[in-house]
Amino acid sequence: AQSVTQPDIHITVSEGASLELRCNYSYGATPYLFWYVQSPGQGLQLLLKYFSGDTLVQGIKGFEAEFKRSQSSFNLRKPSVHWSDAAEYFCAVGAFNSGGYQKVTFGTGTKLQVIP
Amino acid sequence: NAGVTQTPKFQVLKTGQSMTLQCAQDMNHEYMSWYRQDPGMGLRLIHYSVGAGITDQGEVPNGYNVSRSTTEDFPLRLLSAAPSQTSVYFCASSRDRVYEQYFGPGTRLTVT
Repeated sequence: AQSVTQPDIHITVSEGASLELRCNYSYGATPYLFWYVQSPGQGLQLLLKYFSGDTLVQGIKGFEAEFKRSQSSFNLRKPSVHWSDAAEYFCAVGAFNSGGYQKVTFGTGTKLQVIP
Repeated sequence: NAGVTQTPKFQVLKTGQSMTLQCAQDMNHEYMSWYRQDPGMGLRLIHYSVGAGITDQGEVPNGYNVSRSTTEDFPLRLLSAAPSQTSVYFCASSRDRVYEQYFGPGTRLTVT
């Protein structure tokens, strides 16, 4: 079974600073990887995804993530954080079960606080 | 195009009561799922459906029932509410098995 670890529960960065959120996964085959963002009181919104191909993927809102198979990681980055980026971020890994359904397992999330 | 809608937004139940959380999508997505979100635990899959008439259990199905009579609707039924079911519930849909999920705004349920 797949699993996802987000080691940082809470991160605080200054506005304009760079950001890296860590994500490590466990899965036997090539995974489908996702980053979602959740603003307070809202549902989750997809930031970016990796299925195959180029290991550096670009997403919405200026985010990018790099898939590193050797490290089983899929870290999320942004070069300059804006106050509106304050939210909770979830890494997720998808894997297909015997019935062909892609079961998505979510990490426990990282809450990002942005200070002026 | 409303996307994924959920009703109600908030609900308080007494232990032992039953209720149905509604979920609807207007994107003609085949795949729909129910998750619960608890502090420090991320999202956990309750039930999912790969099309009308087809449902299956996720990782935390006990105490919940689902059915899928149409492509658009995927209600979640709590049979006899327990305090352990206090949570935020999210419905999600996706176009295909490999595509990203679209989430509803959630239902915050409290069981006293």
